[in-house]
Amino acid sequence: DQQVKQNSPSLSVQEGRISILNCDYTNSMFDYFLWYKKYPAEGPTFLISISSIKDKNEDGRFTVFLNKSAKHLSLHIVPSQPGDSAVYFCAASVRGGADGLTFGKGTHLIIQP
Amino acid sequence: GAVVSQHPSWVICKSGTSVKIECRSLDFQATTMFWYRQFPKQSLMLMATSNEGSKATYEQGVEKDKFLINHASLTLSTLTVTSAHPEDSSFYICSASPPTGRNSPLHFGNGTRLTVT
Repeated sequence: DQQVKQNSPSLSVQEGRISILNCDYTNSMFDYFLWYKKYPAEGPTFLISISSIKDKNEDGRFTVFLNKSAKHLSLHIVPSQPGDSAVYFCAASVRGGADGLTFGKGTHLIIQP
Repeated sequence: GAVVSQHPSWVICKSGTSVKIECRSLDFQATTMFWYRQFPKQSLMLMATSNEGSKATYEQGVEKDKFLINHASLTLSTLTVTSAHPEDSSFYICSASPPTGRNSPLHFGNGTRLTVT
């Protein structure tokens, strides 16, 4: 049973527009959520995180929204740039990350010129 | 920022041999490191939690005797795949977090591509 779900395997967005990546989770014990960006044959690179006491966190072009009642979070990238093309993983943890992360399957974001 | 180094980046070995993968935290001490595994087009799956000075904690379904973990110092954890078989071929990634308390993002190494022939 997958506790973190990313239902869109891929997403294509035009350069300059907003990219919205979605993630759903089932474990109500999760209290810390993260987004990672990954290129093939490389480890994930941390992008942005949010704790369960917040509903929004912003860092430059990246904003993460958390809706606890819906067990849903999303990553907004605006404006989208060609260098944003990669696989994006949503991850969640209990105890603020002390027990490791549970990852979704990833969404391949393609930014079209 | 925090840097995690993993070595080797790729390795090819014959069936039945053992392979050791190293994970180092370069600019911080990590009492806990994590080992993940990723199959093509799949999620990263947590294999085990490596604790400095004590035994590793393995996730359900991960064979302890096959995947030996040693966390000998605060900056080094090793994963040894023993008696490797072709089905062990995968992408192995380690991660660690600076000891700044809760809600500290995990930083990942660049992974090791293991191919068993």
